[in-house]
Amino acid sequence: EPEVTQTPSHQVTQMGQEVILRCVPISNHLYFYWYRQILGQKVEFLVSFYNNEISEKSEIFDDQFSVERPDGSNFTLKIRSTKLEDSAMYFCASRTGSTDTQYFGPGTRLTVL
Amino acid sequence: GNSVTQMEGPVTLSEEAFLTINCTYTATGYPSLFWYVQYPGEGLQLLLKATKADDKGSNKGFEATYRKETTSFHLEKGSVQVSDSAVYFCALSRSNFGNEKLTFGTGTRLTIIP
Repeated sequence: EPEVTQTPSHQVTQMGQEVILRCVPISNHLYFYWYRQILGQKVEFLVSFYNNEISEKSEIFDDQFSVERPDGSNFTLKIRSTKLEDSAMYFCASRTGSTDTQYFGPGTRLTVL
Repeated sequence: GNSVTQMEGPVTLSEEAFLTINCTYTATGYPSLFWYVQYPGEGLQLLLKATKADDKGSNKGFEATYRKETTSFHLEKGSVQVSDSAVYFCALSRSNFGNEKLTFGTGTRLTIIP
């Protein structure tokens, strides 16, 4: 069964460094999302992406964040200058155009030191 | 705005016990409702969903009924197993159409003891 994949599974970085989190959505999906989950807290929406542009973004998704779909398969989240409070599990999700069910990847745990 | 309120955890039950995890929501219009499950060390998996009032979603022995009059979507299972130990998230999306985000509850950690 097709699934969303994410790399790396765990990323450790120093405060102020740039990180890129990678996702490969399911191949025939059209809508793409990033969410994050700070340890022990709820899963929060960051951004949605469709037709090569951002559809919606949350207040969390400030100028330090960007997303890109550089080719037909990858969907990336970049954090330009990481802060301690960016430490979280980041989930990528995707869905087709004909259902509201989002399929999630296993997540990337980002630790900012 | 939209919000989801979930029963506080953690919840600990014995194997074969009856499970209820409460979920209520606030939303305009007619949201779709979901339960996602997160097993230890894994990502979020869709457990079940319902897209309109009085719909019942079911999967793996779990059930939840979309109750518009009480704005609830409580998760139930008649006889839990150790393998059901996980974190359960209630979520909504505003509609079936468009690029709709999911709004999640805080999650309920369930532990089943043999």
